Amino acid sequence: AQSVTQPDIHITVSEGASLELRCNYSYGATPYLFWYVQSPGQGLQLLLKYFSGDTLVQGIKGFEAEFKRSQSSFNLRKPSVHWSDAAEYFCAVAASGGSYIPTFGRGTSLIVHP
Amino acid sequence: DTGVSQDPRHKITKRGQNVTFRCDPISEHNRLYWYRQTLGQGPEFLTYFQNEAQLEKSRLLSDRFSAERPKGSFSTLEIQRTEQGDSAMYLCASSLDGGSRNEQFFGPGTRLTVL
Repeated sequence: AQSVTQPDIHITVSEGASLELRCNYSYGATPYLFWYVQSPGQGLQLLLKYFSGDTLVQGIKGFEAEFKRSQSSFNLRKPSVHWSDAAEYFCAVAASGGSYIPTFGRGTSLIVHP
Repeated sequence: DTGVSQDPRHKITKRGQNVTFRCDPISEHNRLYWYRQTLGQGPEFLTYFQNEAQLEKSRLLSDRFSAERPKGSFSTLEIQRTEQGDSAMYLCASSLDGGSRNEQFFGPGTRLTVL
């Protein structure tokens, strides 16, 4: 079975600073990988996904993520954080065969200081 | 708004009572998923439907939980004899299909508090 580790429970950055959220997965084959964002009172919104091809994936809201097979990682990055990016971020992995049900990490809470 | 909707948004109940939640997916989506999210955790898969067929259930879905999607459109999740451990956010999501089109769109969730 697949699993996801998000080692950082909280990340604090200053507005305008760069951001990297870490995600490590465990899966025997090439996985499907996702990053979701959850704001208070809102449902999860998909930021980006990786299925195959180019390992650098561009998403919405200026986010990108890079799939590194050798490190089993799919870290999320943003060059300049805005105060509105404060939210909970979830990395998820799904098996590339079968029902494609994602397994989520426990999330990283992003705090943005002005 | 044609997103995924859930009703109610909040539910407070006493231990031992039954509760039912409703999810309306995006209209053309044939897959519908239920997740549970507890504080400080990511969503955990409960079950999913392909049209009206319930194709997979997690071990988290005890006998007290039942989900239906009778006409392949909206779905209900019922919890019988609620326990305090059932307190959580229950999320519904829908997708067009599996595979590379499996982008799941999530509803706002129903927050259940069992007293």
